[in-house]
Amino acid sequence: AQTVTQSQPEMSVQEAETVTLSCTYDTSENNYYLFWYKQPPSRQMILVIRQEAYKQQNATENRFSVNFQKAAKSFSLKISDSQLGDTAMYFCAFMKHGGGGSNYKLTFGKGTLLTVNP
Amino acid sequence: GAVVSQHPSWVICKSGTSVKIECRSLDFQATTMFWYRQFPKQSLMLMATSNEGSKATYEQGVEKDKFLINHASLTLSTLTVTSAHPEDSSFYICSALPPGTTYEQYFGPGTRLTVT
Repeated sequence: AQTVTQSQPEMSVQEAETVTLSCTYDTSENNYYLFWYKQPPSRQMILVIRQEAYKQQNATENRFSVNFQKAAKSFSLKISDSQLGDTAMYFCAFMKHGGGGSNYKLTFGKGTLLTVNP
Repeated sequence: GAVVSQHPSWVICKSGTSVKIECRSLDFQATTMFWYRQFPKQSLMLMATSNEGSKATYEQGVEKDKFLINHASLTLSTLTVTSAHPEDSSFYICSALPPGTTYEQYFGPGTRLTVT
């Protein structure tokens, strides 16, 4: 079974600054996906960024980038130029690759509550 | 992007009654949908995987007879909480997996269930 650990229950950052959220995971799988999801106060889950394990290059999406260290099983999220709208709960998640159906289920970490201060 | 809806968004029911929550994929067909439960300030916990035309796959510790899942069409999955009790009060979220992709789940807005 896979486990996802987010060791920072809460973090805060000043607007326009950079913040990094940590995530580690444990798996015996070689092929998998990693995700960061954002859940704002509306509670709608929003995909922030994804990383395929077979890709060495770190994924980036505008102000969001990841530092994926496969050997260390680490997957951190860096948010640059933080904005007030980035205030949300952030969840790191793991998904196995292939096999269909329930193999595509997500395993979530406990989340990090990020507050961006003006 | 793909849109998933849930109905109702909030429901209050009395202890001992049953309540049904619908999850619909509005602009795509989904052979696989997932149901999650989220307690306040906690993470999402997968309850079951819903497969169109077949029985749902429940996670360990989830009572199949209490949380009935039906995925009768490619755009609709339902979760029925039977004989609800106050401890079933929670936020229930569904997600759907569009065809042709193996990784991106689209989430519904969630349903808040309060059992009195």
